[in-house]
Amino acid sequence: GQNIDQPTEMTATEGAIVQINCTYQTSGFNGLFWYQQHAGEAPTFLSYNVLDGLEEKGRFSSFLSRSKGYSYLLLKELQMKDSASYLCAAGDSNYQLIWGAGTKLIIKP
Amino acid sequence: IAGITQAPTSQILAAGRRMTLRCTQDMRHNAMYWYRQDLGLGLRLIHYSNTAGTTGKGEVPDGYSVSRANTDDFPLTLASAVPSQTSVYFCASSEGDSVGSDTQYFGPGTRLTVL
Repeated sequence: GQNIDQPTEMTATEGAIVQINCTYQTSGFNGLFWYQQHAGEAPTFLSYNVLDGLEEKGRFSSFLSRSKGYSYLLLKELQMKDSASYLCAAGDSNYQLIWGAGTKLIIKP
Repeated sequence: IAGITQAPTSQILAAGRRMTLRCTQDMRHNAMYWYRQDLGLGLRLIHYSNTAGTTGKGEVPDGYSVSRANTDDFPLTLASAVPSQTSVYFCASSEGDSVGSDTQYFGPGTRLTVL
């Protein structure tokens, strides 16, 4: 079957670095997305990886290993506004997106 | 209008009633999607449309129907609502017609409660 696994909740300190992991199993693969979702709001796009390696975008970076079915989102210099849920989603061979349940990130001062 | 709008923002509905959730985008995107989001579960695709005039079933289509008469609008209809359809519903769109490989942009959501 198809599956996305990511931790349910993580806690980090303001100014620190946090890594949110995601493992996926899909029939075929057409890229890995990360979205941010603040409570009560819509998901917003953060990053897309289709090739192995690290993509850096400001304070946020995303990594992909296709052979391991693994990705992570790295958030640096954490700010209170980064408190949100982070959703991992993988595209399968039918170009459908399979979504993880999301990781709720709590930032403490 | 900028982006995707959804209406209503929230709704309380009696079981057995018919309800249409509206979704409009002004980005001229080809593909549109309807998801439901329930606590502890990932977004689940209900129906999608690659382009105007075509629709397809997602992971959880039962009890829902859609139409795509034009590029901008993608309404979702619950023919006879049941309490298990209580959820937050998100409409999304993407530029290309390759469902799932393009960045998706989401509307603000409709919170639906079926009693």
